[in-house]
Amino acid sequence: EVQLVESGGGLVQPGGSLRLSCATSGFTFSDYDMHWVRQAAGKGLEWVSRIDTAGDTYYSGSVKGRFTISRENAKNSLYLQMNSLGAEDTAIYYCARESTVRDMDVWGQGTTVTVSS
Amino acid sequence: SYELSQPPSVSVSPGQTARIPCSGDKLGYEYAFWYQQKAGQSPVLVIYEDNRRPSGIPERFSGSSSGNTAILTISGTQPMDEADYYCQAWDGTSQVVFGGGTKLTVL
Repeated sequence: EVQLVESGGGLVQPGGSLRLSCATSGFTFSDYDMHWVRQAAGKGLEWVSRIDTAGDTYYSGSVKGRFTISRENAKNSLYLQMNSLGAEDTAIYYCARESTVRDMDVWGQGTTVTVSS
Repeated sequence: SYELSQPPSVSVSPGQTARIPCSGDKLGYEYAFWYQQKAGQSPVLVIYEDNRRPSGIPERFSGSSSGNTAILTISGTQPMDEADYYCQAWDGTSQVVFGGGTKLTVL
């Protein structure tokens, strides 16, 4: 069974940092591009970042320069390093697998990040 | 930046057909993808490449695209279809864009 399991969320003060992880199983992780998508409470989905199989990275304008996406194929894991966090980053963060036809065909259950003093 | 526009809400009676539009300048040459998100759950892909249905998605879900508008159609809508629906596309490069989402109410 294909699974994505996020972890690392929590409460962090404004200006702080947090590292999210996404553990994957049930497929050959190194063969797939991966995404982070977030959702603030009561709001819509917002694309955050993407990393392709070559390790090339892409970011939304709202996080570029503050967040860093990475992957460790040997551990079948995806990461999101988040720095200079603000209240606007408070959200559920989902990792998602990009299929060969460029949709997001598998999603994790999400991990909650709260930025507050 | 590129945007996809969806109506905030759509209402439909059980058994009727629901249509949820998504408009964006690049939908004429970029595929639309659709996700269903029920309350408290993660999104689920229901349509890919404008009109293709993943395995396990009921046949009552279909998609179409013409010009700059993609449409998700749910035929014979059931109470279990009540959810938020999001369209998604690529901006022509390597950026992903989601529509604002449409809350489907079945009443």
